[in-house]
Amino acid sequence: GENVEQHPSTLSVQEGDSAVIKCTYSDSASNYFPWYKQELGKRPQLIIDIRSNVGEKKDQRIAVTLNKTAKHFSLHITETQPEDSAVYFCAASKDQAGTALIFGKGTTLSVSS
Amino acid sequence: KAGVTQTPRYLIKTRGQQVTLSCSPISGHRSVSWYQQTPGQGLQFLFEYFSETQRNKGNFPGRFSGRQFSNSRSEMNVSTLELGDSALYLCASSSGQGGGAKEFFGPGTRLTVL
Repeated sequence: GENVEQHPSTLSVQEGDSAVIKCTYSDSASNYFPWYKQELGKRPQLIIDIRSNVGEKKDQRIAVTLNKTAKHFSLHITETQPEDSAVYFCAASKDQAGTALIFGKGTTLSVSS
Repeated sequence: KAGVTQTPRYLIKTRGQQVTLSCSPISGHRSVSWYQQTPGQGLQFLFEYFSETQRNKGNFPGRFSGRQFSNSRSEMNVSTLELGDSALYLCASSSGQGGGAKEFFGPGTRLTVL
């Protein structure tokens, strides 16, 4: 079955720096790749997603890139702020409806001011 | 629209018991997926229901089961509880169709097995 690996497991940056989190997946049939942010004690929140017919997508300070040939995708956060501190999860799905998500183990991002 | 709701929010059970968790999706959504979150294993997919039918299934033992009702509300049942079943159980709601569907999570049910 699908396996998603996520790196790094922890990431510490200074406020204003950029942060990059990388994920690789094993199943070439996967075609939907969302990213979730989970703050302590809260539910995971969808922050951005990309589908296999797109190589890059941007939403303000957040961008996601996808390389289907290499089977990896990345989350880029620019101008980080303390409120960006959270656990970030990447996921992959081969379901047409983008359900049945297989998650990476998560990255704990700490942004210090 | 109201978000995804889950009840109860907290549960304490003992080994060998069974438990039923409930999830009400966003109005109009027909898909409900269930996930288990633990510190060691992270977020793991259990199963997905769409229009009252199980559409996808993860790699969990048969002690974990679910169902979905005609109003799209879903329940998850765990029988013969084990200590390792202690986890946060999250459900996620989606329209379940179309190229732009996305999953939105509920607050979770924290299950503790003693």
